[in-house]
Amino acid sequence: GAVVSQHPSWVICKSGTSVKIECRSLDFQATTMFWYRQFPKQSLMLMATSNEGSKATYEQGVEKDKFLINHASLTLSTLTVTSAHPEDSSFYICSARDGTRLSNEQFFGPGTRLTVL
Amino acid sequence: GENVEQHPSTLSVQEGDSAVIKCTYSDSASNYFPWYKQELGKRPQLIIDIRSNVGEKKDQRIAVTLNKTAKHFSLHITETQPEDSAVYFCAASMGTGNQFYFGTGTSLTVIP
Repeated sequence: GAVVSQHPSWVICKSGTSVKIECRSLDFQATTMFWYRQFPKQSLMLMATSNEGSKATYEQGVEKDKFLINHASLTLSTLTVTSAHPEDSSFYICSARDGTRLSNEQFFGPGTRLTVL
Repeated sequence: GENVEQHPSTLSVQEGDSAVIKCTYSDSASNYFPWYKQELGKRPQLIIDIRSNVGEKKDQRIAVTLNKTAKHFSLHITETQPEDSAVYFCAASMGTGNQFYFGTGTSLTVIP
C-alpha cells in the first residue's frame, strides 16, 4: 500500500514552453502533497505544500506564478512549470501523506526528470 | 524556518564496519525525524524514523538516536553491506501534516 506515482518520468522541452507533472496517490487519499526539487548530488528542496481543495503554500524564494500547483482531488496534484528555462532543469519529486493515518510519514513518487533545452 | 545540517557529506567504510551520520536541526518545535535512503535516480525510501518523545530506536542493523536538548540526531548502521551504498538524508518536521526539511545528504559507499 501507500504507492505514489508520477507522470511523466522524464520530459525534454524547449525553453519558453510549459510542462505539467502529475502526482497521484494510487491506493490512499492524500490530503496533503508536497513538491520537491532536487539538483544533481544535492538535497531535496521543498518547493510547496499542497492541500486538497485549497491554494498551495510556497516556500520562500519559490515563484508561485512560475510553479503552478493544483491539488484538485484527494489523489492528484499537478505541478506546472511555466515558461521553462534551462535553469529549471532538475529532478522534481512529489510526496503524499495518507490523510486517514495519524502517521507523519510521507510517501514519495519516483520523480520526474525535466530537461529544458 | 527549520534548518537541518548533515555530516559528513561523503562516507566510505569497509564492509562489516559501522557507519554513523549526524544531523542537527534549528527549531525546537520539530518533533519528527525520519531518515531516507535514496539510490541514484530513484525515490527516497524511509528506513527509520524517531519522534521527539523517544531517545533511541532500533530496527535490525539500523538505529537512530535523538538528543532533543542538543538538537541533534544520528543514524547508525552496523555490519554494513555493499547494498547499503546510497545517499542518506535526514529530515525534521514539526508534526503530522507538516513539511519535511531535509539535510544535505550523505553519500555512503561500502567497500567490499
